[in-house]
Amino acid sequence: AQSVTQLGSHVSVSEGALVLLRCNYSSSVPPYLFWYVQYPNQGLQLLLKYTSAATLVKGINGFEAEFKKSETSFHLTKPSAHMSDAAEYFCAVSHMIYNQGGKLIFGQGTELSVKP
Amino acid sequence: KAGVTQTPRYLIKTRGQQVTLSCSPISGHRSVSWYQQTPGQGLQFLFEYFSETQRNKGNFPGRFSGRQFSNSRSEMNVSTLELGDSALYLCASSLGQGRQGVGTEAFFGQGTRLTVV
Repeated sequence: AQSVTQLGSHVSVSEGALVLLRCNYSSSVPPYLFWYVQYPNQGLQLLLKYTSAATLVKGINGFEAEFKKSETSFHLTKPSAHMSDAAEYFCAVSHMIYNQGGKLIFGQGTELSVKP
Repeated sequence: KAGVTQTPRYLIKTRGQQVTLSCSPISGHRSVSWYQQTPGQGLQFLFEYFSETQRNKGNFPGRFSGRQFSNSRSEMNVSTLELGDSALYLCASSLGQGRQGVGTEAFFGQGTRLTVV
């Protein structure tokens, strides 16, 4: 069975500080992992994805994530927070079977606040 | 390229009524999935359609149903609405097939906010 745990439902950083959002996954097969961002009253926007090509994945808006198999982690980072980064972030694992489709399994989300 | 379009954006319904939500996927995407988002339960998978067939289903009661048309547009229906059905309903489209992991990233619409009173 696959599952995702996001550590910390709320993270607060100062503008310009490092952003670190934690995600740990459980998967019985090689996972495909995603980070999505959601702004208030909006849908989910894909930030980045890991599909086994490279362990360090770069996404949009300066975010990146590193896949660490030994730690079953896929933490999201950004070197310098911007006020516009304030949003809710979701880590997800893909439970997909070739040509049979499937679903995304989401973590509970982490709300990021950025202080001026 | 147009994104995923969901209509309507907001709905208010009375308990016991039924509701239909619509989703138009990205052009060329054949898979449409639906998710329910609530503060208490987070994001939960409802079902997935691919080429007009329901391919996967989550753990929701039979009051929740859907369908997909030949142009890949999808509708979701909830009958006999309950207060607990109040949520943001998100539709996601993807290519839906290919080598494992390829084409599985989902692109989401802005959602339909359903309020049941």
